[in-house]
Amino acid sequence: QLQLQESGPGLVRPSETLSLNCSVSGGSISSGLYYWAWIRQPPGKGLEWIGSTFYSGSTYYNPSLKSRATISVDKSKNRFSLRLNSVTAADTAVYYCSRHTSSMVQGVIMDIFDYWGQGTQVTVSS
Amino acid sequence: EIVMTQSPATLSVSPGERATLSCRASQSVSSNLAWYQQKPGQAPRLLIYGASTRATGIPARFSGSGSGTEFTLTISSLQSEDFAVYYCQQYNTWRTFGLGTKVEIK
Repeated sequence: QLQLQESGPGLVRPSETLSLNCSVSGGSISSGLYYWAWIRQPPGKGLEWIGSTFYSGSTYYNPSLKSRATISVDKSKNRFSLRLNSVTAADTAVYYCSRHTSSMVQGVIMDIFDYWGQGTQVTVSS
Repeated sequence: EIVMTQSPATLSVSPGERATLSCRASQSVSSNLAWYQQKPGQAPRLLIYGASTRATGIPARFSGSGSGTEFTLTISSLQSEDFAVYYCQQYNTWRTFGLGTKVEIK
């Protein structure tokens, strides 16, 4: 069974960089079959896709984050990471990592987040 | 950015009754729509993709329909474990989520 686990500081100061890791077990991040994504949820609000990466390092991001996000892969540790710079209080959220499946099955396109970590709370405050 | 609007924000339903949740896209997303269920303190769980295809292990009481800009998630007979928040997500152009519909016990 695939499992994902987020880790990182729970408190980040304004204007600094948020850094999170997602450790993957029960499957290889290098399988080449899936993307790996970060999604966040501000308190009391909906979900926001941050970006996704492939094991090769190819990445794409939500344009709304205006180039503040960087997602990278560490194949040797079977994990991927998120860095978000110049954070403000608006970046306070629960951050989830997820497996991102993008394919077509029996004519149906799927571009979905099918396995999730438990989420980690990140608060931006001085 | 495609904006996803879900209605109602809160739906009060008695166990055993039918629940109908709506999701509207600001422009056509074809059938490139998914539904997720989220319970308090938990990560979201994929229910439906391709607007109407149930994900692995999802009970048949969950069904999705629609295409273009109007979508519906129907729970045919609500069980106690179905009271949760439901999100729609389009993946036709980038990926955006709705703000959710909370299904609560009436």
